Amino acid sequence: DAGITQSPRHKVTETGTPVTLRCHQTENHRYMYWYRQDPGHGLRLIHYSYGVKDTDKGEVSDGYSVSRSKTEDFLLTLESATSSQTSVYFCAISPTTDRAFFGQGTRLTVV
Amino acid sequence: QQQVKQSPQSLIVQKGGISIINCAYENTAFDYFPWYQQFPGKGPALLIAIRPDVSEKKEGRFTISFNKSAKQFSLHIMDSQPGDSATYFCAASTSGYNNNDMRFGAGTRLTVKP
Repeated sequence: DAGITQSPRHKVTETGTPVTLRCHQTENHRYMYWYRQDPGHGLRLIHYSYGVKDTDKGEVSDGYSVSRSKTEDFLLTLESATSSQTSVYFCAISPTTDRAFFGQGTRLTVV
Repeated sequence: QQQVKQSPQSLIVQKGGISIINCAYENTAFDYFPWYQQFPGKGPALLIAIRPDVSEKKEGRFTISFNKSAKQFSLHIMDSQPGDSATYFCAASTSGYNNNDMRFGAGTRLTVKP
């Protein structure tokens, strides 16, 4: 899986609690992304990073924040989880403009 | 609204047959069109991609056909095999990755029957 590790792989949390998902890469790629995957919507970009401490919003960024303090780690935080954030979350890394590699995903359930 | 519309939602094909999945896009600035393959429990994996300077690109049994005037592109899987059973996503963006405008279709679940 192109040196991408997502953790945790599965998580159940309660509405209103904060949740942090981690993406770790061993490839030293500059660009990293967080997507969510929902039936009927394909994948939608939440946030992306183009370097340490450089991040930008994606298509569905409301309710999410990210941080990247090291090249290898990109964290996605749900400040106060809601049921609408139940989804499968994928991290991706990109070595060039023409290619991206996805992690195995994190299945998050908010009850 | 979904900027990339994909059809059909599901497709059943016999082994050896041709699988065809279609996508249509709205943004005429899109110039990079990848297809992804995803197996259950795995992340999507890039299968093949095309840029609008060509009308067709072939890699093994997989072919992308691109119609710029109609704003449509399609994936053809020749000699479909049971191992091709997966969900396929089309996508479109301006200038590939490294920006925030990659848009994905909703996906097509392909089942190839032996």
